[in-house]
This record gives sequence, structure tokens and C-alpha cells, in this order.
Amino acid sequence: GAVVSQHPSRVICKSGTSVKIECRSLDFQATTMFWYRQFPKQSLMLMATSNEGSKATYEQGVEKDKFLINHASLTLSTLTVTSAHPEDSSFYICSAKGDTQETQYFGPGTRLLVL
Amino acid sequence: AQTVTQSQPEMSVQEAETVTLSCTYDTSESDYYLFWYKQPPSRQMILVIRQEAYKQQNATENRFSVNFQKAAKSFSLKISDSQLGDAAMYFCAYRSAHSNYGQNFVFGPGTRLSVLP
Repeated sequence: GAVVSQHPSRVICKSGTSVKIECRSLDFQATTMFWYRQFPKQSLMLMATSNEGSKATYEQGVEKDKFLINHASLTLSTLTVTSAHPEDSSFYICSAKGDTQETQYFGPGTRLLVL
Repeated sequence: AQTVTQSQPEMSVQEAETVTLSCTYDTSESDYYLFWYKQPPSRQMILVIRQEAYKQQNATENRFSVNFQKAAKSFSLKISDSQLGDAAMYFCAYRSAHSNYGQNFVFGPGTRLSVLP
């Protein structure tokens, strides 16, 4: 089956620093990757959609300069939270989809805590 | 814009019994996909079952089956012979079949299922 990994699984950082989260598709080529944010006891909220080699499309209300997304290869997308603040603390989940796939495959998520 | 509603924030079921989780959605499209995902305490999203809107036959995966009513825009999940490992948050999700409408999922708010021994 399709496997998506995320690294790190958990990160704690100081306010004002930047944090990079990696999302990798291990056994398929992910033409599209999605980044979600999930607050405790809430549903997944789409932050942005990225297609390999193109600029990411951000959802309304998501600051593209704060949440930098790079999808430079068919197996790797990165989300960088710049100048992180405590309100950025959340669970970030990526998912990936190949060209011929109708289903998205989810990574295990990254828990970010900003002190 | 599409919306997905799950009217049951929490449900419980006795082990070995059957439970049905509700999901309704709103769309003007005729071609789309519907999914049920499970999120256990590990928070890993796991695909439970998928339904193509053009198929009249309800999807089935072992103990999991759906009741897809396209006209009513309803997509309920039935879990038979419930097991302790079924306890999780369940999300209903919608995805357009047309790339120009976006390929992202629209998720419902979720239903937390507890399984009682």
C-alpha cells in the first residue's frame, strides 16, 4: 500500500524560530501533496495544496509568507513555519496523491509546540 | 462550496454490536468521491472505505459498509461486530471528481466512537 512519512513526529521550539516539517511519499510519486492543520478535538483544516514543481495554492486565511511550502520533487514536500508563535502550536498532517490515484494517503502527523 | 456534516459528535456501541455513523453533504456536482477515515489515538488517518458517486452499489470492506443515498446526499457508515480497536474518531470526507474544482478533501467535523466491552 501507499506509505507517507513525516518528519519530525514531534517538535518543540522557541517563539520566533522557524521549523521545517518534511512529508515524503515512500513508494509512489506524489504529484499533489496537501497540508492540513488539526486542533485538539477538531477536524482537519486544509492549509494548502501543492503540485510538484509549482507554487502552492493556499486556502483563505492561511498566510503564505508564514507557512512556506516547497514541493520540489515527486516524493518530498516541506512545510516551514517561519517565526513560530505559541498560537502556531498544533498538529500538522500531510497527505499525498499520485496522478492516477483517487485516494489521498496521509502521513502520521507532526505535533508542533511553540514555547 | 461543498460542505460535509456529521450530526453525531459522539457515539458508543457495545462490543460485537452494530453501529451506524451518519454523514450528509452538500454539493452541486454529480461526479465525486466519498470517504470514511478513521483516526485512532495515534492520530494516523486510516482509510476505512471509499465510494464513487457514479456507482449505485454500496461499498463494503469486511465489517464496514456504507449506505449511499445520492439523491438525499447521505453517506452513512455501518460497523458490524464492533471491536475494541474500532474506537476512534471517524471523519466523513468529500472530494470532487473534477480537477478544476480542486482535488482536496472536504472533511466533516468527525464522530468520536467509543466501544464498550
